[in-house]
Amino acid sequence: GAVVSQHPSRVICKSGTSVKIECRSLDFQATTMFWYRQFPKQSLMLMATSNEGSKATYEQGVEKDKFLINHASLTLSTLTVTSAHPEDSSFYICSAPSGADTQYFGPGTRLTVL
Amino acid sequence: LAKTTQPISMDSYEGQEVNITCSHNNIATNDYITWYQQFPSQGPRFIIQGYKTKVTNEVASLFIPADRKSSTLSLPRVSLSDTAVYYCLVGPGTNNAGNMLTFGGGTRLMVKP
Repeated sequence: GAVVSQHPSRVICKSGTSVKIECRSLDFQATTMFWYRQFPKQSLMLMATSNEGSKATYEQGVEKDKFLINHASLTLSTLTVTSAHPEDSSFYICSAPSGADTQYFGPGTRLTVL
Repeated sequence: LAKTTQPISMDSYEGQEVNITCSHNNIATNDYITWYQQFPSQGPRFIIQGYKTKVTNEVASLFIPADRKSSTLSLPRVSLSDTAVYYCLVGPGTNNAGNMLTFGGGTRLMVKP
C-alpha cells in the first residue's frame, strides 16, 4: 500500500513555543491531506482538511490561528502548533488518499508540551 | 456522515475467530464501509473495505447484509498481535479516499494467551 510518513515521531517542547509537524506522501501525490488529533484512550478527531494550493478547512472548534496548516506541495503538508500549551499535548496523525484505493495514515507524532 | 456504533471492547483467546459487528443504520446509498486497525501510538492501518455482501482478503473478511445497516469484521484465528483497536467507518463516494473520515469510538480487542 501507499506510504505516509510523519516527522518528527515525537517532540517535547516548552510552553509558548511553536512546533511544526510534517506529513509526507512518499510514493504518491495527494492534493488533499487530513489532520487528526487523538488523546489517550480516545478516538481520532478530525482537525482540518489540508488542500494543496488553497486554504485549509478547519473543523468546528479548531482554532485556525493556533493550528497553522500549509500544503506546500502535492506530497507535503505541515501542521504548526503555535504557542503550544500543555493542553495541546496529544498524538497528531495525518492521512492522505491514494488514488481510487483508500486513505493511508501516517505513523503519528507524539507532542508533549511542558 | 453515517454514525457507527460498535462494542467498546471484546476479549478473545489465541486461535479463536473474532467477529466485531458495527451498526450504521443511516448508511447512504453511495456509502462504503471501511475497517481500520490501530495499535497504541501508531496511525490506523487499513484492513478491509466493502459495499455489500462479502469481501475477503488475506487479513480478514467483511460481511454486509442486504440492508447494509450493519457489518461484521471477521478475524480468523487471532493471535496476541491482533490486540488493537478496530474502527468501523462509513463514508460517501465510490471509496473513502477523497473524503474525510469520521471515527467512532472503536472496539478495543484484547487477545489473551
